Amino acid sequence: DTGVSQDPRHKITKRGQNVTFRCDPISEHNRLYWYRQTLGQGPEFLTYFQNEAQLEKSRLLSDRFSAERPKGSFSTLEIQRTEQGDSAMYLCASSLAWDRVDGYTFGSGTRLTVV
Amino acid sequence: DQQVKQNSPSLSVQEGRISILNCDYTNSMFDYFLWYKKYPAEGPTFLISISSIKDKNEDGRFTVFLNKSAKHLSLHIVPSQPGDSAVYFCAASPTGNQFYFGTGTSLTVIP
Repeated sequence: DTGVSQDPRHKITKRGQNVTFRCDPISEHNRLYWYRQTLGQGPEFLTYFQNEAQLEKSRLLSDRFSAERPKGSFSTLEIQRTEQGDSAMYLCASSLAWDRVDGYTFGSGTRLTVV
Repeated sequence: DQQVKQNSPSLSVQEGRISILNCDYTNSMFDYFLWYKKYPAEGPTFLISISSIKDKNEDGRFTVFLNKSAKHLSLHIVPSQPGDSAVYFCAASPTGNQFYFGTGTSLTVIP
């Protein structure tokens, strides 16, 4: 068990380009979450999957953002027509169920810089 | 609208002493609470959790206290060690799915 894996670790892109991030959760975890963290803030919830079903979406997830988890395993987060305000750390987390005492397990994140 | 607040951006404590990190929340529907520790360039690492049916949960050197009437959460670390130096986030949720995080408290444990 290698934990939650995110790829890439860093991404620099020009404004207007599309970017895609990948998250591989812990293998037995059926829940997967995406968060965004900007400098000086705590993580902000973006969206959540249970298996392949996307169950909750934050209002932060504008039309330019889309997330998928096609087979209930890995997930991708795509940002279209990136803007400078999209620059942030994008965190993925997974869990088996809330009532486990270990809560979520986070990955190390993908740091996006839009120039 | 910050529903979870950590009003102390930083805290310094001598090694061996107690560290107390505080967290306040505004939403009375929050029933699940977590504390995370974060080192630079890493994702948050789960520390300890508590649900609203309890007022205390202990795990080794870490104890979380919940005061529901005051909407206040605290994390006690005893004894503090230099390796505890990190940013600590509290998080709360009504359902255990979407969590709302505070802005973090940077703890420095001085050897």
